[in-house]
Amino acid sequence: DVKVTQSSRYLVKRTGEKVFLECVQDMDHENMFWYRQDPGLGLRLIYFSYDVKMKEKGDIPEGYSVSREKKERFSLILESASTNQTSMYLCASSRGMRGQSPLHFGNGTRLTVT
Amino acid sequence: GEDVEQSLFLSVREGDSSVINCTYTDSSSTYLYWYKQEPGAGLQLLTYIFSNMDMKQDQRLTVLLNKKDKHLSLRIADTQTGDSAIYFCAEVRGKLIFGQGTELSVKP
Repeated sequence: DVKVTQSSRYLVKRTGEKVFLECVQDMDHENMFWYRQDPGLGLRLIYFSYDVKMKEKGDIPEGYSVSREKKERFSLILESASTNQTSMYLCASSRGMRGQSPLHFGNGTRLTVT
Repeated sequence: GEDVEQSLFLSVREGDSSVINCTYTDSSSTYLYWYKQEPGAGLQLLTYIFSNMDMKQDQRLTVLLNKKDKHLSLRIADTQTGDSAIYFCAEVRGKLIFGQGTELSVKP
């Protein structure tokens, strides 16, 4: 079974802090994704990566950046956390050609920014 | 429209069948997916269907695909309280595009 592990289930941070959300997958998947999930808005894609050191903006990249130094790890960075970034963050990975294989999700990190 | 659309809520009684509907947008989508999200957890892949199929059955789950109307449905037979969750459909449009999710509530 594919395992996607997000380092924290719950995080509480202060406004202005730099926040790192870490995600590791163990199936040698090429593709990795970060989504945020908010009530009434569904899942929105923040950033994704199809290879090491590659990154592409999703639908809502503002206020976020990412890092993919190793194939198995994809980090989401909030440079200066704000209260409107309070949300559930979901990491996912997939193999092969873009969109042609299912995403496997981690259990999510619920981030609260106060 | 541009969005993958689902009803937001569905309530059924234990033992009944549940049918969750989804309208997608791209008739050339090769795969269509159903995911399940239990409270406090990530999304779990339930099943998927290739666009050249009309139906797929997997134990209590039946997926129906109507390509003409771009309509996808998920039927859960003999619904149990453990089926209570949010169900997302997703289409491939360069990347995976998700609907807003249907919250299924199963009453004993």
